[in-house]
Amino acid sequence: NAGVMQNPRHLVRRRGQEARLRCSPMKGHSHVYWYRQLPEEGLKFMVYLQKENIIDESGMPKERFSAEFPKEGPSILRIQQVVRGDSAAYFCASSPGAVPNTEAFFGQGTRLTVV
Amino acid sequence: TQLLEQSPQFLSIQEGENLTVYCNSSSVFSSLQWYRQEPGEGPVLLVTVVTGGEVKKLKRLTFQFGDARKDSSLHITAAQPGDTGLYLCAGVRTGANNLFFGTGTRLTVIP
Repeated sequence: NAGVMQNPRHLVRRRGQEARLRCSPMKGHSHVYWYRQLPEEGLKFMVYLQKENIIDESGMPKERFSAEFPKEGPSILRIQQVVRGDSAAYFCASSPGAVPNTEAFFGQGTRLTVV
Repeated sequence: TQLLEQSPQFLSIQEGENLTVYCNSSSVFSSLQWYRQEPGEGPVLLVTVVTGGEVKKLKRLTFQFGDARKDSSLHITAAQPGDTGLYLCAGVRTGANNLFFGTGTRLTVIP
């Protein structure tokens, strides 16, 4: 059973371009969470999705950021018109049910660098 | 305002010493988890505590959940260089459905 898979591991974008980060949850997991981590800091919650639905996007910036988790395929975190401040590590986690009833497992992250 | 505050933020100790890391909040959590993260990797779950006052042991690591379910501690006995890493606590607030992470404690164990 493969773990949570994120790709790409590293992504470089120029200011103004779009960044697409993909997350394939563990088999049997229908809940996905996205987090952002700046160097030397903890993880900041962004969005929680369950298949085809956004459950909680309270941590997501109102502009330029969007997330989806379609019925088929991976979850996608999309950042439009990237700026230097978007440079960070983005982690996704998946769980078979809603926390706290189940545990969440993390991917290895995508490191986004905006130049 | 940070929901979960960890202390200390940085800790550097000699191999063989003991240490305790704290995770504090003014909010009540239905569960609290501890993760360890190494450079370039995602957080790896160490333990989940759900009952106030609960104590769990994982080899040389002892985790405790406060009676009021607002705080937790991680105690490491006889630290080893392999314990080096970023330790993160994460909680699920009562009635909520996502994990909030603490500020992290970066531990360095010197051989």
